Amino acid sequence: DVKVTQSSRYLVKRTGEKVFLECVQDMDHENMFWYRQDPGLGLRLIYFSYDVKMKEKGDIPEGYSVSREKKERFSLILESASTNQTSMYLCASSFFLRGRAQYFGPGTRLTVT
Amino acid sequence: SQQGEEDPQALSIQEGENATMNCSYKTSINNLQWYRQNSGRGLVHLILIRSNEREKHSGRLRVTLDTSKKSSSLLITASQAADTASYFCATDVGGDKIIFGKGTRLHILP
Repeated sequence: DVKVTQSSRYLVKRTGEKVFLECVQDMDHENMFWYRQDPGLGLRLIYFSYDVKMKEKGDIPEGYSVSREKKERFSLILESASTNQTSMYLCASSFFLRGRAQYFGPGTRLTVT
Repeated sequence: SQQGEEDPQALSIQEGENATMNCSYKTSINNLQWYRQNSGRGLVHLILIRSNEREKHSGRLRVTLDTSKKSSSLLITASQAADTASYFCATDVGGDKIIFGKGTRLHILP
């Protein structure tokens, strides 16, 4: 079974802090994704990566950056957390960019106070 | 409407009944996927149907696709308490990503 793990289930940070969200997958997938999920807005793609050290902006990249130094690990970075970044963050991976299922981690609920 | 919009937004049915939810989309697709999300958890892939397919089954799930109407439906037969979740459709329109709808919240009543 594909397993996607995220470093924290719940996280509370203060405004202005630098926040790291880690995601690890164990299926040798090429592609990894970061989404945020908010009530009434569904899932929105922040960034994705199709290879080590490669990254592409999604629909809402502002205020975020990512790092993919190893194939199995994809990190989401909030350079200076703000209250409007309070959300559920979901990581996913897939073998192909398209035409195949995405496998999701359990999510990190981030609260910025 | 946005690409990939589920209907209804929320649905409550008695255990044992069938549940049907729909997804409409605006542009041509390569494939369409359905996912389930239990409360506070990540999404789980249920089924993928390609644009040249009309119907697919997986256990108690039946998915149909009507490309002429730009719509898909997910039928869950003989519902169980464990089916209580949100269900999302996701459309692949080409490019590098799939687009998720906002979901249907399904509640199975005992």
